[in-house]
Amino acid sequence: DTAVSQTPKYLVTQMGNDKSIKCEQNLGHDTMYWYKQDSKKFLKIMFSYNNKELIINETVPNRFSPKSPDKAHLNLHINSLELGDSAVYFCASSQTNGQGRGYGANVLTFGAGSRLTVL
Amino acid sequence: KQEVTQIPAALSVPEGENLVLNCSFTDSAIYNLQWFRQDPGKGLTSLLLIQSSQREQTSGRLNASLDKSSGRSTLYIAASQPGDSATYLCAVPDSGGYQKVTFGTGTKLQVIP
Repeated sequence: DTAVSQTPKYLVTQMGNDKSIKCEQNLGHDTMYWYKQDSKKFLKIMFSYNNKELIINETVPNRFSPKSPDKAHLNLHINSLELGDSAVYFCASSQTNGQGRGYGANVLTFGAGSRLTVL
Repeated sequence: KQEVTQIPAALSVPEGENLVLNCSFTDSAIYNLQWFRQDPGKGLTSLLLIQSSQREQTSGRLNASLDKSSGRSTLYIAASQPGDSATYLCAVPDSGGYQKVTFGTGTKLQVIP
């Protein structure tokens, strides 16, 4: 049983294309996230959704659009891909104390990552 | 804004050694701190989570401590094994309450057989 699953695992595409990465969690968590890990291996949060509502939106180009059809899914769509978008994108989930605040003793659980390469 | 630093950036030790990884954070108003390991080309695996009310948490050969007042956490690995080779990351949520977790830059550990 995969707790947080992302697809695709690898994505190679040309500059200017539009692509999507999907994420699903079966842990019953109420909050999901997208993180980006750059070439220097630094992980930074991009977005967070709590029960389908956007609660964290870091300084991310508006070419990136997250969509959460329900609390178990959080997809990431990227328009007009640029070379600098090449990175590994990680989806994660956690259970909060409500409305996305605090997460007590519950861990942040990550997917295996989606490696995006823009040529 | 929370800033998280990990020292050292890389560490190479012979098998069997005990070792300590360090994590420092600037804003001490945290709910908890979580340690992860990342294997090359893989996702992150949660190792330990210490709640703000705890000072230590143990799992097998791993022991994590938390000193909120000084903004520090350590991960102690006893009797290191080659399978422990990975990058270790600490993660701290921002004090705003929302789960904006800031990661450290990681410590890349190599355990030599």
